[in-house]
Amino acid sequence: GQNIDQPTEMTATEGAIVQINCTYQTSGFNGLFWYQQHAGEAPTFLSYNVLDGLEEKGRFSSFLSRSKGYSYLLLKELQMKDSASYLCAVLDSNYQLIWGAGTKLIIKP
Amino acid sequence: IAGITQAPTSQILAAGRRMTLRCTQDMRHNAMYWYRQDLGLGLRLIHYSNTAGTTGKGEVPDGYSVSRANTDDFPLTLASAVPSQTSVYFCASSAVRTGELFFGEGSRLTVL
Repeated sequence: GQNIDQPTEMTATEGAIVQINCTYQTSGFNGLFWYQQHAGEAPTFLSYNVLDGLEEKGRFSSFLSRSKGYSYLLLKELQMKDSASYLCAVLDSNYQLIWGAGTKLIIKP
Repeated sequence: IAGITQAPTSQILAAGRRMTLRCTQDMRHNAMYWYRQDLGLGLRLIHYSNTAGTTGKGEVPDGYSVSRANTDDFPLTLASAVPSQTSVYFCASSAVRTGELFFGEGSRLTVL
């Protein structure tokens, strides 16, 4: 079966750095996506990795290792507004998105 | 602002009633999706459509139906609502064969 694992909840301090991990087992691979979802709102696209390595976009970076079935989202200089759920998703061989259950990130002052 | 519009945003429904959730996009995306999101379970695909005139079943299609008469509209119908269909429903769209989805604001449905 297809499976995506990520921690249920993480806590970090404002101004710090946090890494949210995602491991996956899917039927084929056509890219890995990270989405951000604030409470009561819709998910919004954050990042996309299809090749191994690090993609940086401002305070957010996403890493992919296809051989290990592993990705992480790195958030730097945390702000209170970064409190949200972060969803990992993989585009499988049928170009269907397989979603993780999401990681709720709590930022404390 | 271009995007996806869902209606209603919230609805309380008696079990056994028929309900249609509306979804309209103005981005001319070929692919559209309906997801439900329940606490601890993440997003689960109900139905999808890769182009107007075609639809497909997702992970949890039972009790739901969709139609795609044109590019812009993708309504989701619950023929006879049951309490287990209480959830938040998200409509989304994308270019075909991409994982970058654009979501509507969601429809919170409570079935009593």
